[in-house]
This record gives sequence, C-alpha cells and structure tokens, in this order.
Amino acid sequence: AQSVTQLGSHVSVSEGALVLLRCNYSSSVPPYLFWYVQYPNQGLQLLLKYTTGATLVKGINGFEAEFKKSETSFHLTKPSAHMSDAAEYFCAVSGNTNAGKSTFGDGTTLTVKP
Amino acid sequence: EAQVTQNPRYLITVTGKKLTVTCSQNMNHEYMSWYRQDPGLGLRQIYYSMNVEVTDKGDVPEGYKVSRKEKRNFPLILESPSPNQTSLYFCASSFGVSPLHFGNGTRLTVT
Repeated sequence: AQSVTQLGSHVSVSEGALVLLRCNYSSSVPPYLFWYVQYPNQGLQLLLKYTTGATLVKGINGFEAEFKKSETSFHLTKPSAHMSDAAEYFCAVSGNTNAGKSTFGDGTTLTVKP
Repeated sequence: EAQVTQNPRYLITVTGKKLTVTCSQNMNHEYMSWYRQDPGLGLRQIYYSMNVEVTDKGDVPEGYKVSRKEKRNFPLILESPSPNQTSLYFCASSFGVSPLHFGNGTRLTVT
C-alpha cells in the first residue's frame, strides 16, 4: 500500500522568495518519488524524480527535492520564485517495480505575487 | 515527437449516452493508465494496463471500461455516463520505472 500527503492545498509566495512545497509519503516497499507540475489547461509534466542513489535531486526550472527516509518526506524547494512558477504541483509515489502504478497527492496550488 | 494523444479535448454529453475517449501513445510504452482529476482530490486512478490484453482496476473504476487490444491505444469507455462522472480525464503511459507521460486531458461534462 502507498499514499501521499501534500501539506497545504494553496501556497502563496512573493516573487524572489523561497518556495517550499511539502510532501510526505508512505510505502511498503522502497519508493520511487516524483514531483509533477501542471500549468493551466495542460497535462502534468515531470519536474524531478528520486529512484535510488543521491537523496538530493535536481529538476527543471531550478527546482530540487530531498528524499528523507527517516522523515518519509520529499519536499520540493526553489530558492527564488518566479512568476512563471505559478501552477499546481503534485507529489507522487510508486513502488520500485513499476512507476506507472503511481499514487498522487491532492496537489498544491502555488501562487506567486509580484 | 514522443507524446500521448487524447481525444476529444472537450466533450459535453447527456446522461446515459455511451461515449469513448481515445488515448494513443507513440513511445512503445507497456504501461498505460487513466486518471480523473477533481478539485481538491488530486488524480485518482481509474484503470491501468500493464500490456496488451492485461488491464486492472485502479482506485475508482465504477462506471468505466477499458480495453487494450493494441500496445499504443487505451480507450476509456463510459457505457452510461452520469453527472458524477463530470471531470477532467488524463491518459498516461510509462515504461518500467520511468515517470509517467501524460496527455493534455479531456474535460467531460455530463448533463
């Protein structure tokens, strides 16, 4: 069994401020973890993924996330928000045998204020 | 270009009128899946397919059917749509442990 909890359905930051989107997961097997971004009227795009190895992973558009097994967390961060980062963000977990059987969190809508 | 193509993008129908949403991928992916997205509920899996002729229920399969006769296609069938199936639907595909590739979505309204 696996599940994802995203803390905060809406996050608002000022342009240039730190972005922190929280994700906690549960999984009965070693997890694969993903962050996806959804812009209005579009499908989801992969931001970054953790499979094995280095626990700090870097993705597109300056985002990164750190896998912390002891905390069962995979929080997404970006040092400086840009207006174009406004979107909905989804954390997902899957077992290490098939990333297709992914379970998604409820999503966090990021608003960036000028 | 690698892509997942869904059609139609928008669909308005009436209760009980059978419909099919098509999904096709050109990446030779084994795995395909359908999700529905509703406000505050994230993405919930409807059905998935591990390969041709292999399908299984996801978390919310009631009222839906799927088939996988060819590797590239995975249509979603609503035999008798109801208003509670009004939603945004996404098809996705992947290979092994690779991330999901998503289509652009189908917004369905059932009146």
